[in-house]
Amino acid sequence: DGGITQSPKYLFRKEGQNVTLSCEQNLNHDAMYWYRQDPGQGLRLIYYSQIVNDFQKGDIAEGYSVSREKKESFPLTVTSAQKNPTAFYLCASSLRPGTGGSTNEKLFFGSGTQLSVL
Amino acid sequence: EDQVTQSPEALRLQEGESSSLNCSYTVSGLRGLFWYRQDPGKGPEFLFTLYSAGEEKEKERLKATLTKKESFLHITAPKPEDSATYLCAVSAGGTSYGKLTFGQGTILTVHP
Repeated sequence: DGGITQSPKYLFRKEGQNVTLSCEQNLNHDAMYWYRQDPGQGLRLIYYSQIVNDFQKGDIAEGYSVSREKKESFPLTVTSAQKNPTAFYLCASSLRPGTGGSTNEKLFFGSGTQLSVL
Repeated sequence: EDQVTQSPEALRLQEGESSSLNCSYTVSGLRGLFWYRQDPGKGPEFLFTLYSAGEEKEKERLKATLTKKESFLHITAPKPEDSATYLCAVSAGGTSYGKLTFGQGTILTVHP
């Protein structure tokens, strides 16, 4: 079945440690996204990538880094500079936005990673 | 700056008690409005996309409508399995393609 796989489901970070969240998709989508979800708040965009080897900062990129070396993969690293990392992290993908109108802006989400600080 | 506000924050219904969720938006040139359903500890699941005022879409007990300022998600005769958080998001001409702005969600609980 086609879809988006996020791992791990739960992750714990020690102070000063960098951790990496995995996101893999087999939908053949060009675009991939990382969102952060905090209780009572809307999803906030961290980073997004519309094509391989290219990505842009979202609204809350500070303390995070990404790479897009393969079309299928878009890992997110939460660095020690992110002082409040506890949140539910969601990866999403879509067809290439900007082509096909707003239809291509429909997001498909993974099942999420809950990151907590020890 | 695009803004999306959902109300109420939480809604409790008895099984069979119909109601509506609201999504108000302030954007520069709406391209699309999206509704998602999210179960606890899971990723959002797509429900509907609406593109222009007057448009309506239905799926089982859910019906989404759109005006120039807001969207409603109508739930007819809800069942306990409809309990979830419902998210609204918009894409608009003032932002790059692919950058959606999300509301904070409405937590719906349907009691048997």
